[in-house]
Amino acid sequence: GESVGLHLPTLSVQEGDNSIINCAYSNSASDYFIWYKQESGKGPQFIIDIRSNMDKRQGQRVTVLLNKTVKHLSLQIAATQPGDSAVYFCAENSGGSNYKLTFGKGTLLTVNP
Amino acid sequence: DAGVIQSPRHEVTEMGQEVTLRCKPISGHNSLFWYRQTMMRGLELLIYFNNNVPIDDSGMPEDRFSAKMPNASFSTLKIQPSEPRDSAVYFCASTRRDADTQYFGPGTRLTVL
Repeated sequence: GESVGLHLPTLSVQEGDNSIINCAYSNSASDYFIWYKQESGKGPQFIIDIRSNMDKRQGQRVTVLLNKTVKHLSLQIAATQPGDSAVYFCAENSGGSNYKLTFGKGTLLTVNP
Repeated sequence: DAGVIQSPRHEVTEMGQEVTLRCKPISGHNSLFWYRQTMMRGLELLIYFNNNVPIDDSGMPEDRFSAKMPNASFSTLKIQPSEPRDSAVYFCASTRRDADTQYFGPGTRLTVL
């Protein structure tokens, strides 16, 4: 079946640098996308979302970019901090489902002080 | 405001035993989700409730798994009998409306020996 895929995974950056985490999705009918952050021993925490009628959305230190042409989603974290170290998941609403999310495998971000 | 509450946080049991996981969704949320997370398969949706009614249980692995939501503030996921391959982290999530962001609890780490 179709699924969200994260190309595996590990990103190591220096504190203060900007981080970019990428995600490829395969279901062109999906119209809602979310980025979650999961710290060790905790549940996924919502970071930012975007709907398919937008190509960019900004939050506090985070920006999500959506390129529907190539079915690509990215999360940019500005001035990365040690507290940003976690696994980041993208998720899509499975072909436009009003409840079912398909999650990627995750990317481990490590921030070096 | 309290987030999604899950109990127990950790459960270790022996194969063949019954396991019951509990979830209290965020007050006012009317949709509840049970997920399972493993290294091999990532986050998988097990079952989805809307207004206490199970809407989609297609992700429930087999008859050994059952879930109930007797009221808007409580849900259980039961495994009987448990098997070692059920070892995983089980998350509960809730949302106010079907299409809104899902908010996750801290998870229950289940180990079946």
